This record gives sequence, C-alpha cells and structure tokens, in this order.
Amino acid sequence: KNQVEQSPQSLIILEGKNCTLQCNYTVSPFSNLRWYKQDTGRGPVSLTIMTFSENTKSNGRYTATLDADTKQSSLHITASQLSDSASYICVVRGSGFGNEKLTFGTGTRLTIIP
Amino acid sequence: DTGVSQDPRHKITKRGQNVTFRCDPISEHNRLYWYRQTLGQGPEFLTYFQNEAQLEKSRLLSDRFSAERPKGSFSTLEIQRTEQGDSAMYLCASSSERVGYTFGSGTRLTVV
Repeated sequence: KNQVEQSPQSLIILEGKNCTLQCNYTVSPFSNLRWYKQDTGRGPVSLTIMTFSENTKSNGRYTATLDADTKQSSLHITASQLSDSASYICVVRGSGFGNEKLTFGTGTRLTIIP
Repeated sequence: DTGVSQDPRHKITKRGQNVTFRCDPISEHNRLYWYRQTLGQGPEFLTYFQNEAQLEKSRLLSDRFSAERPKGSFSTLEIQRTEQGDSAMYLCASSSERVGYTFGSGTRLTVV
C-alpha cells in the first residue's frame, strides 16, 4: 500500500529560526513529490515539485531535498516568519496505469512564535 | 483564469439534507479530482475525472455521494441525506498531462 509519513506532527519555533520537516514514502513506481503549504481553512498551495532526478530545489526561503533511493524528502525553511505558520503536506504521485493518483501525508503543523 | 474555483466556500446544512458543491478547474486542465479533508488530516482521495469520464472512485465515496463532470469542464459533487460524519473540507484539484495539481480553496461543510 502506498504511504507517506511525515515528521514531526507539529513543531513550534521562534521567528527567525530555521527548521526542517521530514517526509518518508513507499509509493512505487514514483513520479514526483510535492510539498504544499496549507493555511487553516484554505486549500493546499504548491511550494515545490521534484522528480526522481532532482536532489534539491529551492523556492525563496524554502528548500526541498529528495533522495529517491531511500524514498525520503525534507523541506527546510530558513529565517522563519510568522506567516510561515501553516500545515506543510508532503504529497507523492505514483506512475503507471492505475497508480497515478496522489498519496498525501498527514502534514506537519508548524507554528512560528514571535 | 485565476486558478481552481470552488463554490460555496462554506455550507452549513441540517442532517438529512442534500448538498451540492461546484468546482471550476483551470480551463486547460483535463483532469479533475475531489478530495475530502478532516481536521488535522491530509486530504483523502474521493474521485477523479479525465475530461468527462469518471475514471476512479474511492471506497470512501458511498452511494450517497455522486460526482459529475458533464461537459469535461466544471464538476459537481452532491451528497444526499447528509450525516454529521460528512462534515469536512471538500477540496477540488485539477491538472493536465504535463502540469501538476492546483487545488481550490475548498468548500467547508458543516452538518448540524
């Protein structure tokens, strides 16, 4: 069964600090991995998308890494801001007929405190 | 085109009533997905359309749920005889062969 596990479940850090969120998956064959940011009561918004050939991708203060061999990804947030408070969801898309839908992690709830 | 639109944003209904949600995908996206998300959980897949064809339905989609995409553009999700357990955020997403998923802001359903 395709699964995506995220850690930690929740995280509280001081404004200006860095943090790293983890994602492990079992989806196979693998197509791509996305990190989404979801504010409370809103739909998820894509931060990065990575295919198996990409190891690192940055989007402003967000940097995602992917190790397709160990099936692990991380999202690093630099110099956190209050507006970074949200849930961060790791989503993996499989490939191949019948395996293309997304598998979602349950998310990491990040709270930035001043 | 500003993205995926969902209507209404919020819906409060009495148990036993029927509700219908609408999703307007990005116009050039031929794939459309419905997901359900409860508090503190990731979205759960409900169903998937490619153009007007409904290609996959989750076992979560009981016979009280029906989704349509009659012309391969907008889609509706209807829930009949709503139950309190149906209270959730219903998310719609669209994609094309080459472009990844874009989510709408969701419809928050509360069944009282």
